Amino acid sequence: DAGITQSPRYKITETGRQVTLMCHQTWSHSYMFWYRQDLGHGLRLIYYSAAADITDKGEVPDGYVVSRSKTENFPLTLESATRSQTSVYFCASRAGLAGYYEQYFGPGTRLTVT
Amino acid sequence: GESVGLHLPTLSVQEGDNSIINCAYSNSASDYFIWYKQESGKGPQFIIDIRSNMDKRQGQRVTVLLNKTVKHLSLQIAATQPGDSAVYFCADPSGGSYIPTFGRGTSLIVHP
Repeated sequence: DAGITQSPRYKITETGRQVTLMCHQTWSHSYMFWYRQDLGHGLRLIYYSAAADITDKGEVPDGYVVSRSKTENFPLTLESATRSQTSVYFCASRAGLAGYYEQYFGPGTRLTVT
Repeated sequence: GESVGLHLPTLSVQEGDNSIINCAYSNSASDYFIWYKQESGKGPQFIIDIRSNMDKRQGQRVTVLLNKTVKHLSLQIAATQPGDSAVYFCADPSGGSYIPTFGRGTSLIVHP
C-alpha cells in the first residue's frame, strides 16, 4: 500500500538490548524524520534525513542511531535501550523542506523498555 | 523553552458546540504555522495552515486565526462532532530548517 508505514507497531524489549524501528515510505520523499512522543513533552525530533546517506541530529538524539541507505527507508536503532526510551515513536516524510510541503506521519511504534 | 505552546491540556465540549483551541508562540520571526490533529493510536495529520501575511484562514468547519501582535493563534472548529475528538497541535516550521516544532497539544473531548 502507498504511504508511510512503521514496524513493528508494538515492541517490548529489555534494558540494554538493541532494537531497530523501521520506517518505509512509498512517495520517494527526500526528507524523513523520527520523533518521539511522551506525555507532557509533545513531539520531539530525534533525527532527520535530507536524502540517502544524509542525516542530522534533532532535539533529542542521544542514545539513537539512524541510517538511510535507500530513499524509502529510515530505520532508527536504539543501541542499548534504556527505560527512559520507553515512548511512542513516529516516523514522518516530506517531499521538500520549504514550508508549504506537507509532512506525513506514520502510525507510530509503541516501545516499552523493561 | 519551547517555541509553541497550547494554553489548555484538555477541552471538553458538547456535540454541536463550537470549539476554540489556543496556541501561543514566542518567535516574532515565525511566518508560518500548521495545525495537526492526532487521533488515538494514530500519527498527527495536517488540518490547516496559515502564513503570517494572513489573519484568518478557513477550511471545512475549521478556521485558524492569527494575531501577530500578541503572538497567538487559535483553531476554531464549528459544530464539533464526536469524530473531532483528538489531540490538536500547533506547529511552527519557521525555523531555518522548516522542521516543525510542536507544542504539547490540547486534548479535545466531545460529549454526545
